[in-house]
Amino acid sequence: GQQLNQSPQSMFIQEGEDVSMNCTSSSIFNTWLWYKQEPGEGPVLLIALYKAGELTSNGRLTAQFGITRKDSFLNISASIPSDVGIYFCAGLNYGGSQGNLIFGKGTKLSVKP
Amino acid sequence: NAGVTQTPKFRILKIGQSMTLQCTQDMNHNYMYWYRQDPGMGLKLIYYSVGAGITDKGEVPNGYNVSRSTTEDFPLRLELAAPSQTSVYFCASSYRSGATDGYTFGSGTRLTVV
Repeated sequence: GQQLNQSPQSMFIQEGEDVSMNCTSSSIFNTWLWYKQEPGEGPVLLIALYKAGELTSNGRLTAQFGITRKDSFLNISASIPSDVGIYFCAGLNYGGSQGNLIFGKGTKLSVKP
Repeated sequence: NAGVTQTPKFRILKIGQSMTLQCTQDMNHNYMYWYRQDPGMGLKLIYYSVGAGITDKGEVPNGYNVSRSTTEDFPLRLELAAPSQTSVYFCASSYRSGATDGYTFGSGTRLTVV
C-alpha cells in the first residue's frame, strides 16, 4: 500500500531553535495534514494543505505542500518546551479508500529548556 | 462538546479473552474510524464507517469486528485477544469523506494482551 516516509524519526533540540521535518511519498496526494500528539492523547490537527505549492502558517508553525504533490514539510520556529510531542504527517489520495488517511511514522520532538 | 470519547483508557486482557472498545462522538459526524498505533509505526486503519449501518475494512482488520448501529457510536470488538493486538487504539471521526476538515481523535485506549 501507500507509504509515507517521515524524517527525522526523532529530534533533540534546545529551546529557541527552529525545527524542520518532512514527509515524502512515491505516490501523489491531494491533501497533506500535519498532526501533533502529546503523551496519553490522540493526534490533534495542526495544519491542512490542499494545493500543490501551498504554504500555510499557524502561529510558529509553517507547512508547505510540495510542488510534485509527493512531499510536505513542517517548520517550527523558536521552539518552546510545550512543542514536545510526536508530529505526524498524513496524506489523502481521493482515489483511495474513502476517508483513509495514510500516516507517516512520526517525528518525536524533545526540547531542552 | 465532548468530541470523541473512548472507553476504557486502559485494559489488560488475557490471551483468548474478548472485549469491546467503546467510541462515541457528539459532533454528528458521518464518518468514523478505528486506528491502532504501535511504537514507531504511526497509525494503521483497522475499520471505518461512512454512516450508520455501513462499515468497511481498513488496512489491518484481521482479529477485529465493528458495528455502527447509530451515528454516534462505533464500537470495536476483539473476539479472541492475541499478544499481537497489544497496542494503543484510537477512534476518530470526521464530518465527511476526505480530510478537508480534519479528523477528530479520541484520547485512546491502551490495551495489553498477556
